[in-house]
Amino acid sequence: NAGVTQTPKFRVLKTGQSMTLLCAQDMNHEYMYWYRQDPGMGLRLIHYSVGEGTTAKGEVPDGYNVSRLKKQNFLLGLESAAPSQTSVYFCASSYGPTPETQYFGPGTRLLVL
Amino acid sequence: EDQVTQSPEALRLQEGESSSLNCSYTVSGLRGLFWYRQDPGKGPEFLFTLYSAGEEKEKERLKATLTKKESFLHITAPKPEDSATYLCAVHDQAGTALIFGKGTTLSVSS
Repeated sequence: NAGVTQTPKFRVLKTGQSMTLLCAQDMNHEYMYWYRQDPGMGLRLIHYSVGEGTTAKGEVPDGYNVSRLKKQNFLLGLESAAPSQTSVYFCASSYGPTPETQYFGPGTRLLVL
Repeated sequence: EDQVTQSPEALRLQEGESSSLNCSYTVSGLRGLFWYRQDPGKGPEFLFTLYSAGEEKEKERLKATLTKKESFLHITAPKPEDSATYLCAVHDQAGTALIFGKGTTLSVSS
């Protein structure tokens, strides 16, 4: 099993550009999450999904959109990138809600100039 | 407001020098406290889940304990390969998201 994979690993964008981050999991998990990690801030939840076709906002959702068209995939979109969105983005998945364990992907490093 | 505070922010140990990392939390109705390890440039790797006060779990040189207000990650006779950032997390009140502390960065030198 590959677990949770993320594409791409690293990306540089100019302000105003758009992009989509892809997360895939092969563990048949219902729940999927997108977090961002910034120095001195810890991991913060952006959006999450409790099943195929569902999405919900987390702590810091502004400027991001998500879609869960297939159970194994969770996409994070930036419609108009801003320098404040420079961060490391992590996807995670779990069988169900807490206290089920969340398993994380390797991360996508995004730099917005 | 739910919060997780980890201390110290950074810890330097000599190989074999045991110590503890602290995670204090405030959340209503704890359903689980999680410890993760994160290596530079990698995603968090799950270590332990603790569910109730008094519970303990061990894995190699690591032992996690839980009280009603805090959790400790004890590291016994650490080795250089234990160097990493250790993250603590609890769930939010809805039970959906994890609230993470800022982590403790451990450096073990030989």
